[in-house]
Amino acid sequence: QKEVEQDPGPLSVPEGAIVSLNCTYSNSAFQYFMWYRQYSRKGPELLMYTYSSGNKEDGRFTAQVDKSSKYISLFIRDSQPSDSATYLCAMSGRSGGGADGLTFGKGTHLIIQP
Amino acid sequence: GAGVSQSPSNKVTEKGKDVELRCDPISGHTALYWYRQSLGQGLEFLIYFQGNSAPDKSGLPSDRFSAERTGGSVSTLTIQRTQQEDSAVYLCASSLALRGAEQYFGPGTRLTVT
Repeated sequence: QKEVEQDPGPLSVPEGAIVSLNCTYSNSAFQYFMWYRQYSRKGPELLMYTYSSGNKEDGRFTAQVDKSSKYISLFIRDSQPSDSATYLCAMSGRSGGGADGLTFGKGTHLIIQP
Repeated sequence: GAGVSQSPSNKVTEKGKDVELRCDPISGHTALYWYRQSLGQGLEFLIYFQGNSAPDKSGLPSDRFSAERTGGSVSTLTIQRTQQEDSAVYLCASSLALRGAEQYFGPGTRLTVT
């Protein structure tokens, strides 16, 4: 079993829809949970950074963490064609990625249809 | 401000040659990370530097890989005797020392070994 599981998609939704992206993980030591957006041939861009369980909202984006279920989600409201990208979840067991770095899911390819 | 920069953006090399990849972190970020992103493999953590401290090299894929960081800033990743399986995008990230899970990535170097 991989440490972080993420459905690769592609996930295709119409413009304006609410998008739900998810990751599950097996390592209970993970405390920090991040979402990155990666456009084709670009580096990952940090979208959301959360600690432990709970919700965090930033504009159209909401990140949810449920440590009891080892499940994290990213919701995108009022999705736009410019949101079309690969979304990567990432996790860390300490405030420093430190010597372990971040552990990433393989990414979900999202397509927003105009 | 300026983000993480990497050079070259693309590198094509023949099997058996050595290559050197460069990363310039965000000013003030003392932590620096190297990752490798291969098709179908996701992001794989390679090595971490905190300031001028000696890195933990256990994440490097083989002894053909080495990395150094000069003056606590710029880092170079060197791959000796390149093999075709080394073809990937090499990504560098940096963070503040106490917020190591909040990593900011550069655009990457796309390495192709022919």
